[in-house]
Amino acid sequence: GAGVSQSPSNKVTEKGKDVELRCDPISGHTALYWYRQSLGQGLEFLIYFQGNSAPDKSGLPSDRFSAERTGGSVSTLTIQRTQQEDSAVYLCASSLGPGGSGANVLTFGAGSRLTVL
Amino acid sequence: GENVEQHPSTLSVQEGDSAVIKCTYSDSASNYFPWYKQELGKGPQLIIDIRSNVGEKKDQRIAVTLNKTAKHFSLHITETQPEDSAVYFCAATINDMRFGAGTRLTVKP
Repeated sequence: GAGVSQSPSNKVTEKGKDVELRCDPISGHTALYWYRQSLGQGLEFLIYFQGNSAPDKSGLPSDRFSAERTGGSVSTLTIQRTQQEDSAVYLCASSLGPGGSGANVLTFGAGSRLTVL
Repeated sequence: GENVEQHPSTLSVQEGDSAVIKCTYSDSASNYFPWYKQELGKGPQLIIDIRSNVGEKKDQRIAVTLNKTAKHFSLHITETQPEDSAVYFCAATINDMRFGAGTRLTVKP
């Protein structure tokens, strides 16, 4: 597609349930990021995938959070046993990756708004 | 990892005035410094960026300056308009992208 697509756009869940958030990056983009944005706050880095390299997971806030990127394209962010403090907008972004004039230029999706009751 | 600090957190200006947002970074190896604008309910969008081999870049009413020695860079918006009202984020990177906390800019008509 022309842009980064995220689904669902909105998710309401009960505390303790697991959720999966999906990101379809721009075709050909080797780099993919997940960020979390709490209400009125900044962009909290979660995880970064670059090609076939091991992902940078240093931003994941707890072991309840995990992410996969299958076939170098689609990524899924999974939150297990959700807590109320997980409520936020989860943003995905992709880029061409390092090297070249377009390197590092991120294109963001519209985000998935998660509400944990 | 890279640590980016951004100031101010909120900024209110009159239409037509200039707005300046400043960021500092910690890793001297960072070589790419973008600025993103986020409007309500949308994902951030790139508005201007600068790489470490230049000190200033301008695009119409928007300019970015970079001081690598001091490890700081700034966004300048001239002749502000109400549609410039948004949250602005700076970032610094070598490979992975780390953002500042954001500045909420309000342009009063």
